Amino acid sequence: DGGITQSPKYLFRKEGQNVTLSCEQNLNHDAMYWYRQDPGQGLRLIYYSQIVNDFQKGDIAEGYSVSREKKESFPLTVTSAQKNPTAFYLCASSIEGRTGNNEQFFGPGTRLTVL
Amino acid sequence: GQNIDQPTEMTATEGAIVQINCTYQTSGFNGLFWYQQHAGEAPTFLSYNVLDGLEEKGRFSSFLSRSKGYSYLLLKELQMKDSASYLCAAAPGGATNKLIFGTGTLLAVQP
Repeated sequence: DGGITQSPKYLFRKEGQNVTLSCEQNLNHDAMYWYRQDPGQGLRLIYYSQIVNDFQKGDIAEGYSVSREKKESFPLTVTSAQKNPTAFYLCASSIEGRTGNNEQFFGPGTRLTVL
Repeated sequence: GQNIDQPTEMTATEGAIVQINCTYQTSGFNGLFWYQQHAGEAPTFLSYNVLDGLEEKGRFSSFLSRSKGYSYLLLKELQMKDSASYLCAAAPGGATNKLIFGTGTLLAVQP
């Protein structure tokens, strides 16, 4: 079955620790995205990648970092510089990154809690 | 700036019809999406409109007016399982396929 996987579903970390969230897709999609969702605030774009080996900052990139070394994978690192890291993190992908089909498909999400 | 507005919460009765409105202001426009999201789960695609008019898909329909920057999602014959958040998202187009999301409308369907 094709799809997007995120692991783990729930993640707990101590304040001051970096943590990396996994996102893998086998849909052969060029573009991948990371969003953060907080209650009452909808989805906010953290980083996106239109093609492998390339990525750009979204609206709230401070305190986060990403890499896109493989087409299938787009891991997100939440660093200790992120002031309020506790949130629900969603990864998405779309067939194309620049024009044309822009429907995004979402993974199941990772709920990160920083203690 | 770019902005999407939709009501925060709505309540409706099982079997009834509900309309969820969305207005948008974006630098460009390459279509409008509606997604459904149950609590703690991933958003799932409901509809996509790029031309003016009504798109019907079973119990769900979506309408777009590009000149007014306005869309609505119409849900008919409401069922309890329709209780969820409904996200409106606009595609500004240009050099990327980014989407701009609204805050979502939390719909509660009551018996």
